[in-house]
Amino acid sequence: SAVISQKPSRDICQRGTSLTIQCQVDSQVTMMFWYRQQPGQSLTLIATANQGSEATYESGFVIDKFPISRPNLTFSTLTVSNMSPEDSSIYLCSVGLGGQGKETQYFGPGTRLLVL
Amino acid sequence: SQQGEEDPQALSIQEGENATMNCSYKTSINNLQWYRQNSGRGLVHLILIRSNEREKHSGRLRVTLDTSKKSSSLLITASRAADTASYFCATDTTGTASKLTFGTGTRLQVTL
Repeated sequence: SAVISQKPSRDICQRGTSLTIQCQVDSQVTMMFWYRQQPGQSLTLIATANQGSEATYESGFVIDKFPISRPNLTFSTLTVSNMSPEDSSIYLCSVGLGGQGKETQYFGPGTRLLVL
Repeated sequence: SQQGEEDPQALSIQEGENATMNCSYKTSINNLQWYRQNSGRGLVHLILIRSNEREKHSGRLRVTLDTSKKSSSLLITASRAADTASYFCATDTTGTASKLTFGTGTRLQVTL
């Protein structure tokens, strides 16, 4: 398994500003993911964070709005840029260990963002 | 989209009763997983069932999978107040957890 922490746990931001969310894992992992969960909704994958290369974004999400860094195998950041109230969501980091018998993802506690 | 549909959207039961929630999906999968989320926090993995399996148990949890109907069910027996949470199914087409697609979720409320 993996233990994942996220910072900040919550924040209230003004529209037009940006927020960077950090995700730290207690071991080296191959796969890291960022999800968005809008109020009362399910999880939507934003992107897969790739170590040493650009993130792979899902349809509807772009790098200019959600730049992602992954400088090593234990850490990643997601920035929510030029925020609007529609960006108010829970942002979740997860990791996948990969390999046979390791088909699950482990999730961080989430960052609850409110944009005013 | 591939996103699964879960029903019911919300379920309220009394402690000691059983809770059943269902998940339907659209394309072939390698496995299907169930996760629990307490009060908007991170998700916790509950159980995984592979496409060649029909039923799996873990403690008070029982999961079934019918690939011909593209559906799965999660049964929680003898529910407790601590089971109050949202439950999500997630489908994996790769078998490596490199891309999970989550269902719409069921909000379970267990009352004393």
